[in-house]
Formats: sequence, C-alpha cells, structure tokens
Amino acid sequence: DAMVIQNPRYQVTQFGKPVTLSCSQTLNHNVMYWYQQKSSQAPKLLFHYYDKDFNNEADTPDNFQSRRPNTSFCFLDIRSPGLGDTAMYLCATSRGRVMSSPLHFGNGTRLTVT
Amino acid sequence: GQQVMQIPQYQHVQEGEDFTTYCNSSTTLSNIQWYKQRPGGHPVFLIQLVKSGEVKKQKRLTFQFGEAKKNSSLHITATQTTDVGTYFCAKDNSSYKLIFGSGTRLLVRP
Repeated sequence: DAMVIQNPRYQVTQFGKPVTLSCSQTLNHNVMYWYQQKSSQAPKLLFHYYDKDFNNEADTPDNFQSRRPNTSFCFLDIRSPGLGDTAMYLCATSRGRVMSSPLHFGNGTRLTVT
Repeated sequence: GQQVMQIPQYQHVQEGEDFTTYCNSSTTLSNIQWYKQRPGGHPVFLIQLVKSGEVKKQKRLTFQFGEAKKNSSLHITATQTTDVGTYFCAKDNSSYKLIFGSGTRLLVRP
C-alpha cells in the first residue's frame, strides 16, 4: 500500500543536541509538509515543499530546518532543541496538482527533549 | 491571523446521543476539509466541502458548508464509542498550505 512513513516513532534527545526526523512517501505526491502538534493542540504547520520549492511559515523558529533531497524523502532538522520543542511531529503529503487535495499523514514522531 | 475557530473545545456524550462541532472563519473559505484524529493517532481525512450550502453524508456523519462559505459543521447521529477522537476542520489558502482549526475533542460514555 502507498504510504507515508516516519522514523523513528519515538525520539528522545537532550536539550541542545541536534536531532533529525525523517519522512518517506510512496505516493509520489508533489507536496510534503511538516506539522508540529503539542499535547491537546491542533497541528501547526512549520513548512512545506512543493517539489523542491521550500515554503517556510513566518513563525517557524530558525532552529527548525528541512531538507527534501528527492520526491520521496523529507527531513526535519532541529539544530538546538529546547524543552518547548517536545511534541509530536507529523509529516504529510498531498498531490498538489489540485489545490486543496487531501493530506495523507504519517504516524508521527513523538519527540521528547530532556 | 487567518485562524479557524472550532466550538466546542470538548464534548462528552452518552453513547447514542448526537454530537455537533462547528467551525467558523472570519474570511470566506474556498473550501473546507474535515479530519478525525483518534487518541494517539494521526489526522485522517474525512471529507472536503467546496460549494456554498453543500451538505454531504457519510453514514452517521453529516457535513455542511455555510451559504456564505464562512462556517461549517459536522454532525454525528447516535454516537458510538468508535467515534471517540478529535475532529478538526482545516482551511487552505492559495499556496497549498492547510491550516487546522482548534479541534473538538469528543468523548463517548458507553
């Protein structure tokens, strides 16, 4: 089955220690997204790629970076995690050829910063 | 900002009772999507509404888009324990960004 896969499922990192979360997709979708979801809150968009075109949200901290080396993979790098970055990180994809096509989410990576 | 508000924040119902969540925008929406997130899970797409006044049904779920395209609702008839989760509406803009509403968490007492 075509899927969005996130690794790892759980990640613990120390304050200030860089961490990378990964996402892969077999849907061949043009658009890949990273959302941050804190406990009992809505997913918050950090950035998205339309193919190789990177789009950053204005309020996404500089601490958060992303890479998309090819259609299938996208990475979220947190350069110096703070305690406030503890959250679920959700990767999602959409076709992008049609505005408003549905998002397909991965299972998420639950990040804990200690 | 271009936020989408949802009410109520929480709803606790007895199994068999109905449930409704409302989504309101200060600006006219081109379309709206609805997602369900089970506890510990990820958001799963339910439906998209595009036309003014549109009504769509999925079994016990009824989705409506307001005539002015500024609000939407999700109604569940005769809730079941499998309906437990958080329901989000989501709006997009012209740049393929999908912004989620604040969500309504549904709890169902068996």
